[in-house]
Amino acid sequence: QKEVEQNSGPLSVPEGAIASLNCTYSDRGSQSFFWYRQYSGKSPELIMSIYSNGDKEDGRFTAQLNKASQYVSLLIRDSQPSDSATYLCAVSRAGNQFYFGTGTSLTVIP
Amino acid sequence: DAGVIQSPRHEVTEMGQEVTLRCKPISGHNSLFWYRQTMMRGLELLIYFNNNVPIDDSGMPEDRFSAKMPNASFSTLKIQPSEPRDSAVYFCASSSSGGPQGEQFFGPGTRLTVL
Repeated sequence: QKEVEQNSGPLSVPEGAIASLNCTYSDRGSQSFFWYRQYSGKSPELIMSIYSNGDKEDGRFTAQLNKASQYVSLLIRDSQPSDSATYLCAVSRAGNQFYFGTGTSLTVIP
Repeated sequence: DAGVIQSPRHEVTEMGQEVTLRCKPISGHNSLFWYRQTMMRGLELLIYFNNNVPIDDSGMPEDRFSAKMPNASFSTLKIQPSEPRDSAVYFCASSSSGGPQGEQFFGPGTRLTVL
């Protein structure tokens, strides 16, 4: 079983819609959770971090964490064509053990 | 801050040659990570250092790979001898244990092609 699982997509949404990206993780001892955005040919860029159950909002982005279900999600409201990228879910445990999912490709259609 | 700096940005070499990738972490960051990314396997952690000491190298694929961090501002990843299956993008990332746990900042990557 992989440490972090994501649906590879591709996920397509129309401009202005809500994009919903999901991620599950296998280790209940995981402590920190991150979403990275990676444009084609570029390096991953941190966009959200979440450490406790519930929602965390930052602009058009909302991260949701449910530790009981071992589930992390990212919602992008009012999606824009510039949001088209691959989104990587990452999980860390104590001692800086860090695991990435394989990413979900998102396309926002104008 | 200049961010994480990697060199070279592109490297093309022939099978059997030695390859050295370089990384300068963000000043003040005390953890450094080397990743490899391919279409097939995604982003894989190869090794990470904490305060210049290698903590976990279980991701290093085989003995052909080695990494060093002689000081807080410089690290190398060496492949000797290189093979075509080593072709990938290699990223270096750094983080600060004094900051939010695990927030890593990536360099621009080195695209390695082994012919």
